[in-house]
Amino acid sequence: AQKITQTQPGMFVQEKEAVTLDCTYDTSDQSYGLFWYKQPSSGEMIFLIYQGSYDEQNATEGRYSLNFQKARKSANLVISASQLGDSAMYFCAMREGNTNAGKSTFGDGTTLTVKP
Amino acid sequence: SAVISQKPSRDICQRGTSLTIQCQVDSQVTMMFWYRQQPGQSLTLIATANQGSEATYESGFVIDKFPISRPNLTFSTLTVSNMSPEDSSIYLCSASTYRGRDTQYFGPGTRLTVL
Repeated sequence: AQKITQTQPGMFVQEKEAVTLDCTYDTSDQSYGLFWYKQPSSGEMIFLIYQGSYDEQNATEGRYSLNFQKARKSANLVISASQLGDSAMYFCAMREGNTNAGKSTFGDGTTLTVKP
Repeated sequence: SAVISQKPSRDICQRGTSLTIQCQVDSQVTMMFWYRQQPGQSLTLIATANQGSEATYESGFVIDKFPISRPNLTFSTLTVSNMSPEDSSIYLCSASTYRGRDTQYFGPGTRLTVL
């Protein structure tokens, strides 16, 4: 079974609107971490946001916020006020276990296109 | 944040040859990893590079094909041995650290084409 599921291969959003990218995960560990990355066409992987399984508050980083619903095992990324430069591939990833800074498993990604 | 550099950025190689990719981090990090990514697809973890000991390989990847070194906390190499066209891919070095929270950073990648 896939550990990280991103069900939206592609998403479109109008500039200045908000968009939610879905991510669900599967783990039996109590301790884990969830990451979101942005990969523009240039190929670099840009770290966006992190949520720990024991964090009580949803993580936020500027225009990015992570809607963490532990019981549903979902960690959706919300991008507010979309910009043309947000067009990119977005990956959700999970680090399992109690080892800090351990290896991550990635989802298949969602391609986001921001329309002017 | 950690800045990661990789050399070479791209290469075109002949079947049967080997290529060594270097990864340098500008600060000490806890863990280093090597990933492979086909264009437009997800990342697949090859191995965790362990300092001063043998790397830990994921299922489907073996040391003879992908020997890895990590002589210190900031440097690692990945060799792609006896290459075939199926090895054509982007190879990404990654480093993670824990300073109150997990962070993971990636190098710019090495785009490898095997003819």
